[in-house]
Amino acid sequence: DAKTTQPPSMDCAEGRAANLPCNHSTISGNEYVYWYRQIHSQGPQYIIHGLKNNETNEMASLIITEDRKSSTLILPHATLRDTAVYYCIVRAVYGQNFVFGPGTRLSVLP
Amino acid sequence: EAGVAQSPRYKIIEKRQSVAFWCNPISGHATLYWYQQILGQGPKLLIQFQNNGVVDDSQLPKDRFSAERLKGVDSTLKIQPAKLEDSAVYLCASSSWRGLGGELFFGEGSRLTVL
Repeated sequence: DAKTTQPPSMDCAEGRAANLPCNHSTISGNEYVYWYRQIHSQGPQYIIHGLKNNETNEMASLIITEDRKSSTLILPHATLRDTAVYYCIVRAVYGQNFVFGPGTRLSVLP
Repeated sequence: EAGVAQSPRYKIIEKRQSVAFWCNPISGHATLYWYQQILGQGPKLLIQFQNNGVVDDSQLPKDRFSAERLKGVDSTLKIQPAKLEDSAVYLCASSSWRGLGGELFFGEGSRLTVL
C-alpha cells in the first residue's frame, strides 16, 4: 500500500502557483519523498525528490515540513500543460520499489 | 537520448487469448520494471529485473503472467490466458541502478483491452 495521502483533485488558475499537498505521517528516517506526474496517455514523469531539505529544480519546488510528516509540491506558474495526475511517493533509496497511490488530479484552468 | 520503447501501443483481444508486450529500456539501464495501471488507479508493480535476474515478482499473477529479460536488455511480458480484469495499460520503466537518484524513466505504455 502507498504510504502517502493526497487529495483526489485540485484546480489551479493558469499562471498562478499550484500547491499540491502530501501527507506521509509514517515516513522513516531513511525514506525520501518523490514526486512524479502523469499526463494523459503518457507514462509517469519524474519531477523532484528530497529527504529533509527543501529542493528546487527547473520544474518545481519541494517543501518538506521539519517533522517530515508532510510535504508540498509547488509549480510556481502553472500552465495548461501542467494538467496531470501528480503522485507523491515515499521510498528508501536502496532497493525499495516505487509504490504509486491514486495521486492528485490537477486541472489548470484558463 | 532515446527513451523507453514499448510495443504495441494498443491491443484488443478476447478473453482466454494470449498477448505479449515488448520493452526496450534506455541503453545502459540495468533495472527494468513492468507496471500495470488500471483506469483511475496509480501504476502497480508487477515485476522488477536487475540485469536479467528477477528482483521482485511478488505481485505478478504467475498462473497467467510471465516475463523475461534475456541478455539483460529487452524484456517481454506475456499474459496467457487473458481475463477481462487484465484490461489495463502496461508500463515499462527503466533506471540506472534500482532507481538511485530517484529517476525512473517510463515508456508510453501498451493499452490492453480484453473483450
